[in-house]
Amino acid sequence: DQQVKQNSPSLSVQEGRISILNCDYTNSMFDYFLWYKKYPAEGPTFLISISSIKDKNEDGRFTVFLNKSAKHLSLHIVPSQPGDSAVYFCAANDGSARQLTFGSGTQLTVLP
Amino acid sequence: DTAVSQTPKYLVTQMGNDKSIKCEQNLGHDTMYWYKQDSKKFLKIMFSYNNKELIINETVPNRFSPKSPDKAHLNLHINSLELGDSAVYFCASGQTETQYFGPGTRLLVL
Repeated sequence: DQQVKQNSPSLSVQEGRISILNCDYTNSMFDYFLWYKKYPAEGPTFLISISSIKDKNEDGRFTVFLNKSAKHLSLHIVPSQPGDSAVYFCAANDGSARQLTFGSGTQLTVLP
Repeated sequence: DTAVSQTPKYLVTQMGNDKSIKCEQNLGHDTMYWYKQDSKKFLKIMFSYNNKELIINETVPNRFSPKSPDKAHLNLHINSLELGDSAVYFCASGQTETQYFGPGTRLLVL
């Protein structure tokens, strides 16, 4: 029972173009969503988050969009850079559980 | 100056052995966590500790026991290792919404 799903295990994008990573969730109690980035042999690092009271949050080249009715969020990276090549994990929290539920990750490769 | 550190980075051992993984954080956080990244790459919470109290205990086998000697450390002890325990184990600290992860310990049980 995977409550957070990242259906694309990998994504390749040309440098300078937009990267769009998708995430779907099933638990309607989730009220806070996060994206983590992971390089090989390192732990995940926090990237950006969004509360369920918003539908968009932007931080530099990174924007997260939330569509609550569709239970879908996406991470946009523009322009993509080779250093963005990493695994991106979507995570969600329902406040009361005091834990994060993670997706399985999407490997982003930005081609120079 | 590593914020969250884990030792060892790699651990290869035989079935039936007992092993420990250590975790230390220098961020002053009250809560620490252990995650398991399985073969399907999902990161699943195993335990968390807040001020030496276990506050989350997911349905993990009781062969796994977290031990926190102080607020800065949360060690993971595993008894009678099984093949299915092979995975990457990540320690983390911080609040639920913003966690800082260690580099992971890759455990291989032969």
